[in-house]
Amino acid sequence: EDQVTQSPEALRLQEGESSSLNCSYTVSGLRGLFWYRQDPGKGPEFLFTLYSAGEEKEKERLKATLTKKESFLHITAPKPEDSATYLCAVQAYSGGSNYKLTFGKGTLLTVNP
Amino acid sequence: KAGVTQTPRYLIKTRGQQVTLSCSPISGHRSVSWYQQTPGQGLQFLFEYFSETQRNKGNFPGRFSGRQFSNSRSEMNVSTLELGDSALYLCASSAGGDRRVYEQYFGPGTRLTVT
Repeated sequence: EDQVTQSPEALRLQEGESSSLNCSYTVSGLRGLFWYRQDPGKGPEFLFTLYSAGEEKEKERLKATLTKKESFLHITAPKPEDSATYLCAVQAYSGGSNYKLTFGKGTLLTVNP
Repeated sequence: KAGVTQTPRYLIKTRGQQVTLSCSPISGHRSVSWYQQTPGQGLQFLFEYFSETQRNKGNFPGRFSGRQFSNSRSEMNVSTLELGDSALYLCASSAGGDRRVYEQYFGPGTRLTVT
């Protein structure tokens, strides 16, 4: 069964203090890995798609990287508005011509001013 | 482009009742997926529809069902509601269709409370 594990469950940073969130996965036939940001009471907001090991994507203070077993979301000099839950999801083959998206439980990031 | 819309945004139902939730995908998107989100279990996949056909299904009881219309709009139905069905129900749309990887875009969700 496909598994996606995110760590830490919660992370508290001071404004400007860079850090990384981890997403490790065990899937057969990875097709893509996604990062989402979710604010309280809202639906997840798409951030990045990574397709293969070695790939990197950047957006403002966020940078996502992918290896064969895990992905990292690096946050450089975070600001309070970066506070949210960050979700990782993997798309993998689920039989026939179908693919399924499996989510991790997320990392709750709090950035204090 | 307008985003994914879900109605209603909030619902309060009594145990044993049934409920229908609605989702309108992004224009041009043909795949609609439904998820249940709870604090303990996180985001769990319910089912995916593409071109009015259920293409994928998660591990939920038969009380959870869905359908998709020819305009790609989708509904999900939960019959005989239980207290444990209280959750945020999220709909996501993607271009879908072939074997390429498509990101999913989520709606704001419907908050269902079962009393």
